[in-house]
Amino acid sequence: GAGVSQTPSNKVTEKGKYVELRCDPISGHTALYWYRQSLGQGPEFLIYFQGTGAADDSGLPNDRFFAVRPEGSVSTLKIQRTERGDSAVYLCASSLTGLAVTDTQYFGPGTRLTVL
Amino acid sequence: AQTVTQSQPEMSVQEAETVTLSCTYDTSESDYYLFWYKQPPSRQMILVIRQEAYKQQNATENRFSVNFQKAAKSFSLKISDSQLGDAAMYFCAYRRTQGGSEKLVFGKGTKLTVNP
Repeated sequence: GAGVSQTPSNKVTEKGKYVELRCDPISGHTALYWYRQSLGQGPEFLIYFQGTGAADDSGLPNDRFFAVRPEGSVSTLKIQRTERGDSAVYLCASSLTGLAVTDTQYFGPGTRLTVL
Repeated sequence: AQTVTQSQPEMSVQEAETVTLSCTYDTSESDYYLFWYKQPPSRQMILVIRQEAYKQQNATENRFSVNFQKAAKSFSLKISDSQLGDAAMYFCAYRRTQGGSEKLVFGKGTKLTVNP
């Protein structure tokens, strides 16, 4: 595709529910990143994929958060037992290889998650 | 751990004038990348400019330029001939160069208003 796309654009859920957020990276990009942006803050790193594998998941806040990228393209961020503190904009980014110092991360428009 | 600080939560500028946004960072590494990203209300992060720490020459991109002071760990963004379309949140970000796959570390952002 022309850019990184994310669905849904907005998601409202109730506390305790399960949600899935989807990211479609730029075609051919092997590196994919998830960030979380809370209100009034800059994005914070969650997880990085190189191909199908999670190369760095050090930013995931706890075991309620999980992400997959089974075919090395689309990625899904999964949040179990959502809490009000999970409310934020979840941003996805991709880069060509993730291995070159000159790689640029291109961001999607994000999914705004609201937990009531 | 690396940290990025943007001390100006908000800035304003008159159309056609020049404005400078400040950023400082903390790192023990000698080689790294610094970035300025723009985030309009659409939420999509857009890369404005990039600086490689080993390069002494300040990066420029059309109306955007940086003042990189490595010893002071300062990385400010200058926007010349400001336009209404420049109004957005601006984020300063740091990235290690090892492996090229490292996460971006963002500051909290500066909201730029451009007055007609």
